[in-house]
Amino acid sequence: EPEVTQTPSHQVTQMGQEVILRCVPISNHLYFYWYRQILGQKVEFLVSFYNNEISEKSEIFDDQFSVERPDGSNFTLKIRSTKLEDSAMYFCASSEAPQGFGYTFGSGTRLTVV
Amino acid sequence: GEDVEQSLFLSVREGDSSVINCTYTDSSSTYLYWYKQEPGAGLQLLTYIFSNMDMKQDQRLTVLLNKKDKHLSLRIADTQTGDSAIYFCAERVSRDDKIIFGKGTRLHILP
Repeated sequence: EPEVTQTPSHQVTQMGQEVILRCVPISNHLYFYWYRQILGQKVEFLVSFYNNEISEKSEIFDDQFSVERPDGSNFTLKIRSTKLEDSAMYFCASSEAPQGFGYTFGSGTRLTVV
Repeated sequence: GEDVEQSLFLSVREGDSSVINCTYTDSSSTYLYWYKQEPGAGLQLLTYIFSNMDMKQDQRLTVLLNKKDKHLSLRIADTQTGDSAIYFCAERVSRDDKIIFGKGTRLHILP
């Protein structure tokens, strides 16, 4: 079964450092997403991406965050200057269509900011 | 605004049925989902229901939707130890692409 792959599975970084979280979506999917889950909290939408541009973003997705599809397979989330409160599990997802039957999520990257 | 609420914990004896409940606020929801998260793993889509349906059955899983009360439930028949996980209720509203999740219900199986 096709899957969304995320790397690394766990990243520890110092406050103020830049991190890049990587995702390889399912190959025929056109819509890409990042969500995050702070420990014990809800899974929250960050951003959706289609046709090489952001289609929607949440209030959380401020200027510290950016997304990119640098080639035909990767989809990345960059946090420019990490804060302690950025510690969370970050999930990438992809789907064939925007109003489809649910996304396929990756297994997540646990980001710990110290 | 959009919100999805569900109870945080449920304990069920192995072999019994589990019923996980969820309420949502946005009446323009188009799809409602149940996702399962096992420890250390990602979010696995278990099942979904379109908003014009009131029931969907898939093997041991039964989803009931009461659109009038904005209530969604997931019934797992003959609960097994492998069903132990966190179950997230989620909705997609017609005007948005994003999915709104609840906080998740941790299902604990008693021997």
